[in-house]
Amino acid sequence: EPEVTQTPSHQVTQMGQEVILRCVPISNHLYFYWYRQILGQKVEFLVSFYNNEISEKSEIFDDQFSVERPDGSNFTLKIRSTKLEDSAMYFCASSADSHSSYEQYFGPGTRLTVT
Amino acid sequence: AQTVTQSQPEMSVQEAETVTLSCTYDTSESDYYLFWYKQPPSRQMILVIRQEAYKQQNATENRFSVNFQKAAKSFSLKISDSQLGDAAMYFCAYPYAMNYGGSQGNLIFGKGTKLSVKP
Repeated sequence: EPEVTQTPSHQVTQMGQEVILRCVPISNHLYFYWYRQILGQKVEFLVSFYNNEISEKSEIFDDQFSVERPDGSNFTLKIRSTKLEDSAMYFCASSADSHSSYEQYFGPGTRLTVT
Repeated sequence: AQTVTQSQPEMSVQEAETVTLSCTYDTSESDYYLFWYKQPPSRQMILVIRQEAYKQQNATENRFSVNFQKAAKSFSLKISDSQLGDAAMYFCAYPYAMNYGGSQGNLIFGKGTKLSVKP
């Protein structure tokens, strides 16, 4: 069964450093998402991406964040200058369509720890 | 603004028994979807069940079913014959479009209910 993969599973970085979180969505999916889950809190939407551009972004997704689909398979989330409060689990998801009826398939997540 | 509320931070059920997790939401839309996701200790988000708001019939997936009350904006998840593998965080989610014409797939999640299953 096709699945979304994410690397690395755990990333530790120092405050102020740049990090890139990588995702490989399901191959025939067209819509991609990043979500964040701070430990013990709910999952929060960050950004959606379609046709090589951002569809929508939440207020969490400020200028420190960027997304890119550098090739036909990878979808990345970059945090330019990490803060302690960026420590969280980051989930990538993909879906075949943007309509709300379509299931989003989630990756296993990347745990980001900022020290 | 759309919100999703799960009022039970933790629930416990005996193996083989039935448990119901509650969820309420707020929306001005008339046609929408609702989802329950399961997050086991591995932290991966797994879709459990989906409900279409315009369908009066409650969705069912094997041991999982929902009680959807559209007028009350309530969407509870019932797990029958609970198994040890059901122990997880359960999140209720509502997809929406932040902007007109935008992606309707952006999910708003509730805070989750941690379900423990006792052998």
